[in-house]
Amino acid sequence: AQSVTQLGSHVSVSEGALVLLRCNYSSSVPPYLFWYVQYPNQGLQLLLKYTSAATLVKGINGFEAEFKKSETSFHLTKPSAHMSDAAEYFCAVEGSSNTGKLIFGQGTTLQVKP
Amino acid sequence: KAGVTQTPRYLIKTRGQQVTLSCSPISGHRSVSWYQQTPGQGLQFLFEYFSETQRNKGNFPGRFSGRQFSNSRSEMNVSTLELGDSALYLCASGVFGDSFGYTFGSGTRLTVV
Repeated sequence: AQSVTQLGSHVSVSEGALVLLRCNYSSSVPPYLFWYVQYPNQGLQLLLKYTSAATLVKGINGFEAEFKKSETSFHLTKPSAHMSDAAEYFCAVEGSSNTGKLIFGQGTTLQVKP
Repeated sequence: KAGVTQTPRYLIKTRGQQVTLSCSPISGHRSVSWYQQTPGQGLQFLFEYFSETQRNKGNFPGRFSGRQFSNSRSEMNVSTLELGDSALYLCASGVFGDSFGYTFGSGTRLTVV
């Protein structure tokens, strides 16, 4: 069975500072991993996905994530936070069978201070 | 290219009633998944349909059901509504066998009073 743990329900950074959102996964098969962002009263927007092609994945809006199998981690980073990055971020895992079933972490709310 | 369209956007129902939510996937997407989002339980998978067949089902009671039509549009139905069914219901569409990720709609906000 797959599962995802996001460490830290709230993360606060200053504008221009490094953003680091942590995600650890558990999967009995090679996983597909995703990061989604959700702005208030909206659906989820795909930031990036890992599908075993490359361990460092670059996404939209300057975000990237590195797949580390030895640490079962898929942390999301951005070198310099912008006010518009304030939102809720979700890490998700899917089994390799493309089942259409995503298992989400509990989410991390990112606050960006001016 | 149109995104995933969910209707209605907001809905208020009374306990005991039933409700039907609709999801139109991106053109060419044949997989449609449904999720329930609540502050307490987070995002939980309800079910997934592909080519009119339910392939996966989450751990929800039988009051929650769905179907998919030949044009890939999907509906989910909740019968005998309970207060705890108040949530944001999200639909996502994708392409089978392709890991481009899943595109989500804006959701239907259901409030049960």
